[in-house]
Amino acid sequence: GAVVSQHPSWVICKSGTSVKIECRSLDFQATTMFWYRQFPKQSLMLMATSNEGSKATYEQGVEKDKFLINHASLTLSTLTVTSAHPEDSSFYICSAPPPLAGAYEQYFGPGTRLTVT
Amino acid sequence: GEDVEQSLFLSVREGDSSVINCTYTDSSSTYLYWYKQEPGAGLQLLTYIFSNMDMKQDQRLTVLLNKKDKHLSLRIADTQTGDSAIYFCAEGNDYKLSFGAGTTVTVRA
Repeated sequence: GAVVSQHPSWVICKSGTSVKIECRSLDFQATTMFWYRQFPKQSLMLMATSNEGSKATYEQGVEKDKFLINHASLTLSTLTVTSAHPEDSSFYICSAPPPLAGAYEQYFGPGTRLTVT
Repeated sequence: GEDVEQSLFLSVREGDSSVINCTYTDSSSTYLYWYKQEPGAGLQLLTYIFSNMDMKQDQRLTVLLNKKDKHLSLRIADTQTGDSAIYFCAEGNDYKLSFGAGTTVTVRA
């Protein structure tokens, strides 16, 4: 089946630095991808919809200047956490809709655990 | 936004059935899903149900959907230690999902 990968799987960075997380669809094209974040022992919250060739759509309360999303190609979306702070520490998961229109299953990446010290 | 609610914890004896309940508010969802997440891992799709169905069975898993009450449940028959995990129900349209808070299922011997 379709596979979505994320890189890195985990990252530790210092406060004030920026971190880029990649989400790739490995054997299919995705004009849209979704970014979620999950705090420890909590649910996943949709952050934004990444659109190939146009600006990302952010959910209410998500700072677009803080979480920069770039969907540079049909198989790659990147999320950059700028000027990271400890409260940005979280599990970030991306997903992509299925390549077949109308199919029920979307594909989630394995997640990236970000720790900001 | 849409709201999805679940009970937070369930403890079950090995071999018994587990039932996890979920309520949601968005009646326009096309599909409703159950995901499993083990510690430190990503999401695994367990099963789904189309919104015009009442029930779906898949091996040890049974999903019941009461669309009138916006209630979804997942029954796991013959629960095993490997079923210990967090279970999320999710609903949405156009592949944008709203997740419940997750039910932590603990299987005791």
